[in-house]
Amino acid sequence: SAVISQKPSRDICQRGTSLTIQCQVDSQVTMMFWYRQQPGQSLTLIATANQGSEATYESGFVIDKFPISRPNLTFSTLTVSNMSPEDSSIYLCSVEVSWMGGGYNEQFFGPGTRLTVL
Amino acid sequence: AQSVTQLGSHVSVSEGALVLLRCNYSSSVPPYLFWYVQYPNQGLQLLLKYTTGATLVKGINGFEAEFKKSETSFHLTKPSAHMSDAAEYFCAVSDRRAAGNKLTFGGGTRVLVKP
Repeated sequence: SAVISQKPSRDICQRGTSLTIQCQVDSQVTMMFWYRQQPGQSLTLIATANQGSEATYESGFVIDKFPISRPNLTFSTLTVSNMSPEDSSIYLCSVEVSWMGGGYNEQFFGPGTRLTVL
Repeated sequence: AQSVTQLGSHVSVSEGALVLLRCNYSSSVPPYLFWYVQYPNQGLQLLLKYTTGATLVKGINGFEAEFKKSETSFHLTKPSAHMSDAAEYFCAVSDRRAAGNKLTFGGGTRVLVKP
């Protein structure tokens, strides 16, 4: 398994500002993912972050709005830039862990960062 | 392309009663299927998964799900609800890559357990 922590756990921000969310995992992982969960909605994948390469963004998400860093195998950051109230969501990171026996690589999720933009 | 549909955004059950959460999927390849649970103010926890083999999958906390290819369904059940089962449940499908599996989630079903 993997234990994932996120900072901050929640924040209230003013529109036009930026917030950087940190994701720390207790073991080295290749694949990390960032998801958004808007109020009352399901999870939507923002991007996949691999160490040593640029993040891959899903349709509807762009690097200028959600820049991601992945400096090493245990850490990643997601920045929500130039925020508006529509960015109010829970942001979750997840990591993919490979099992020794092969087969499916399981994803483990962090506790999320609850962001409110005024 | 993949998609997941969960029927019913809210389900209310009495303590001790059967819990049934419905999930139908669409996938262009044989799917990997998952159920996750999210307790208030927490991240997602994997309940169970289907990858290959036996189509009836048992998970944690007494939950199980059955993969029915002909019905493209993966419904989640628990014979007897407990108060601690109150949470939101998400069905998800994976695009079955060797690495970097992308999960597509359903809309979620919030379960309320009445005493």
